[in-house]
Amino acid sequence: EAQVTQNPRYLITVTGKKLTVTCSQNMNHEYMSWYRQDPGLGLRQIYYSMNVEVTDKGDVPEGYKVSRKEKRNFPLILESPSPNQTSLYFCASSFETPSYNEQFFGPGTRLTVL
Amino acid sequence: GDSVTQMEGPVTLSEEAFLTINCTYTATGYPSLFWYVQYPGEGLQLLLKATKADDKGSNKGFEATYRKETTSFHLEKGSVQVSDSAVYFCALLSMGALTFGSGTRLQVQP
Repeated sequence: EAQVTQNPRYLITVTGKKLTVTCSQNMNHEYMSWYRQDPGLGLRQIYYSMNVEVTDKGDVPEGYKVSRKEKRNFPLILESPSPNQTSLYFCASSFETPSYNEQFFGPGTRLTVL
Repeated sequence: GDSVTQMEGPVTLSEEAFLTINCTYTATGYPSLFWYVQYPGEGLQLLLKATKADDKGSNKGFEATYRKETTSFHLEKGSVQVSDSAVYFCALLSMGALTFGSGTRLQVQP
């Protein structure tokens, strides 16, 4: 089944404790992206990647890192999480840039930083 | 920078009513435009898209037309169902990045 998976689905952590949210897709997509969803703000793009070893900042990259060493994986890293990073995070992928191709979203990761 | 403005919700309608959710955008160049839908507890799904001016996207009875002159991409459906209850997001793509609106919650009552 074609899908985007994220792990963990739910995470509660404390300020400053490094964490990684994994994202994997099995559709051989080149484009992958991370978003955060906050009430009243919709989805905001954190980082995106057009291909292996190519990453770019989105609208809200501060406090986040990403890497794209393999085509299928695009982990989101919070080196020192803070409470303002409490949010619902979505990973997404598409064959190429989303303009002509549907973007597939993962199920979401709800992160709480205490 | 690029931005998308959607009407605030929630929008509450009776079954079979006509739906319009307004969306306007600000962008440099010629973005592609999208509507995504998020059902409770799920990720976003692409509902429809339009990649150039005057294009009409349509899917599952929903329609939206890319209006460059008014920088709008309003979502419409002639007869909503209870199963259409969800949050709807308007979005634009420019220079490889997607910008979303804040979302509009639709509640359809039987």
